[in-house]
Amino acid sequence: NAGVTQTPKFRVLKTGQSMTLLCAQDMNHEYMYWYRQDPGMGLRLIHYSVGEGTTAKGEVPDGYNVSRLKKQNFLLGLESAAPSQTSVYFCASSYSTGQPQHFGDGTRLSIL
Amino acid sequence: GEDVEQSLFLSVREGDSSVINCTYTDSSSTYLYWYKQEPGAGLQLLTYIFSNMDMKQDQRLTVLLNKKDKHLSLRIADTQTGDSAIYFCAESIYGGATNKLIFGTGTLLAVQP
Repeated sequence: NAGVTQTPKFRVLKTGQSMTLLCAQDMNHEYMYWYRQDPGMGLRLIHYSVGEGTTAKGEVPDGYNVSRLKKQNFLLGLESAAPSQTSVYFCASSYSTGQPQHFGDGTRLSIL
Repeated sequence: GEDVEQSLFLSVREGDSSVINCTYTDSSSTYLYWYKQEPGAGLQLLTYIFSNMDMKQDQRLTVLLNKKDKHLSLRIADTQTGDSAIYFCAESIYGGATNKLIFGTGTLLAVQP
């Protein structure tokens, strides 16, 4: 029972590089979310998806893009990484709106 | 506005009870959650309470909700060293197409042996 799996777990990028973070869930959840966690700021919602083929902006969407081509996967892309995007990124999923969100273990991303 | 506040740090001795407090501002919250984060790990859902409830008990965990004061607390009975972690309070509010979670900044619980 894997739950929510994020890959990679760690990554170091140079400014201007691009990369994609992958989130996969095996719970048949409709809703998926991407958060970033920064010291002293809790978790902030970047983008979310309410179903396959749909995405929407969260609280801090600038500099990120997402795609939900398959129900079980939610991808977070950084087209041109900036040092301000150094953070820990968490993916979460839930069965429906208002239901508890289940989190992955996070991806630690450093941008130099 | 939407804001969730927690104290930053709590230290207790093993075997004592811990009480972690949280205040929120949005009265339209539907659910309120407590998550636990151990070092280097993700957020683990501990428990949650629906906004029309006052109390929920789950083994060593007791959640109290004072909706009038917008105050939520998590009591951990017989605190163990394995309970040392950061605890996040979160409120679920409706924001467009989905409920969104507003997190507090987390309370670091340190359990002294």
